[in-house]
Amino acid sequence: AQKVTQAQTEISVVEKEDVTLDCVYETRDTTYYLFWYKQPPSGELVFLIRRNSFDEQNEISGRYSWNFQKSTSSFNFTITASQVVDSAVYFCALSDKAGKSTFGDGTTLTVKP
Amino acid sequence: DAGVIQSPRHEVTEMGQEVTLRCKPISGHDYLFWYRQTMMRGLELLIYFNNNVPIDDSGMPEDRFSAKMPNASFSTLKIQPSEPRDSAVYFCASSFWTGYGPLSGANVLTFGAGSRLTVL
Repeated sequence: AQKVTQAQTEISVVEKEDVTLDCVYETRDTTYYLFWYKQPPSGELVFLIRRNSFDEQNEISGRYSWNFQKSTSSFNFTITASQVVDSAVYFCALSDKAGKSTFGDGTTLTVKP
Repeated sequence: DAGVIQSPRHEVTEMGQEVTLRCKPISGHDYLFWYRQTMMRGLELLIYFNNNVPIDDSGMPEDRFSAKMPNASFSTLKIQPSEPRDSAVYFCASSFWTGYGPLSGANVLTFGAGSRLTVL
C-alpha cells in the first residue's frame, strides 16, 4: 500500500522568508511518481511540480525548488521568498504506474505580510 | 480547452435523496478520477477509469455509491440514498499517460473546481 506523510500540519511565515514543506512517502513500487499540488482558499487543486522515481535530480523552477531523496523516501518542496499569494494548502502526492494517486493530509501555509 | 468541468458546483439535499454529480474531462485525456475531500479523511480516491473502463473502485465507500463513464467526455458519480456523512467536496480529475522513461509525463492530474455536497 502507498502512504504519504506530511508531518507539518500548519506553517506560518512572514513574507519574503523561505519555507520548506516536508513529505515522506512509502511504496513498494520501483517506478512511481511524486507530485506537489496547491489548494488556495478558492478551493481548486493546482499542479505544481512532478518527479519520477528514476530521476533524483533536484531542480529549481522560479521560486519553487524540490529535494527528492530516494534513500530517505522524502520529497521536500521549498518556496523561496514567500509571498502572501502563496498562502494555501499544499498536498504531496504519490502515484503508481497506473496513475492511482495517494495524497498526504496537506500542509496549510500562511504567509503574513 | 476549458479544463475539467464539474456540475453542479453546489448541491444541498436532504437525507435519502439521490444525488448525481457530473464531470466532463479534458478532451484527449484517457484517465478519469473521482476524489472526495473532507476535513476528517482528506483527499480520498473513490474510483478511476481508463479509456472509459472502471479500473479500481476500491475506494467507493459502499453500495450507495456508483460511477459510470458512458463515453470519453462524460462521467457521473451517483449517491443513492444520500446520508449526512456523504457531505464533502467531490473532485473529478483527468490525466493522460505518456509512457515511461526520463521524459515521461506521468499522470499529472487536472482537477475540476469540485462539487460541494451538503446532505441535511
